[in-house]
Amino acid sequence: QQQVKQSPQSLIVQKGGISIINCAYENTAFDYFPWYQQFPGKGPALLIAIRPDVSEKKEGRFTISFNKSAKQFSLHIMDSQPGDSATYFCAASKGGGSNYKLTFGKGTLLTVNP
Amino acid sequence: GAVVSQHPSRVICKSGTSVKIECRSLDFQATTMFWYRQFPKQSLMLMATSNEGSKATYEQGVEKDKFLINHASLTLSTLTVTSAHPEDSSFYICSVGQARNGYTFGSGTRLTVV
Repeated sequence: QQQVKQSPQSLIVQKGGISIINCAYENTAFDYFPWYQQFPGKGPALLIAIRPDVSEKKEGRFTISFNKSAKQFSLHIMDSQPGDSATYFCAASKGGGSNYKLTFGKGTLLTVNP
Repeated sequence: GAVVSQHPSRVICKSGTSVKIECRSLDFQATTMFWYRQFPKQSLMLMATSNEGSKATYEQGVEKDKFLINHASLTLSTLTVTSAHPEDSSFYICSVGQARNGYTFGSGTRLTVV
């Protein structure tokens, strides 16, 4: 059972454009939703995370939009740059760390063309 | 977030031998660490939860006797792949969770079994 569904599988965007990646979850007990960026041969790095008490969180060019009733959340990358080309994973967990394990989406390979 | 150091970054071993991977939490005392496996172009799959001073909790389908986990201190967890075979070749990643700051991942270990 896939608890976090991520789409699209791959995405090509022109430099300066907006990249949008969507995720949907099933477990209503999830209360922590991070996005990770992963470059080839490296471990994932936390980009931004949100909890269900807010509908949107922005950090620089990265924004998470959260829809609790629809059980969906999305990552928007504004003014996309070639350096943003990487694989992006959404995830979810009960609690924000410590003893609670993350459930990952399948990932989105983002390519930003110059 | 926490600073996590993982070693080695790459290892090549012969089939039938064992390989140990170390994960260190450099600035945070971690009672729990997580071990993931990632095959090429796939998502991270949780293998086990490493618990300091007690037995690890393995995910369904992960062989306990093949993937030995030791979490002897609050800053070090080790994963030993015993009697490695080519199908064990993968990217292994550890992570540390903090209640307020989410999860931090190590840089990963590329294991190649020849």
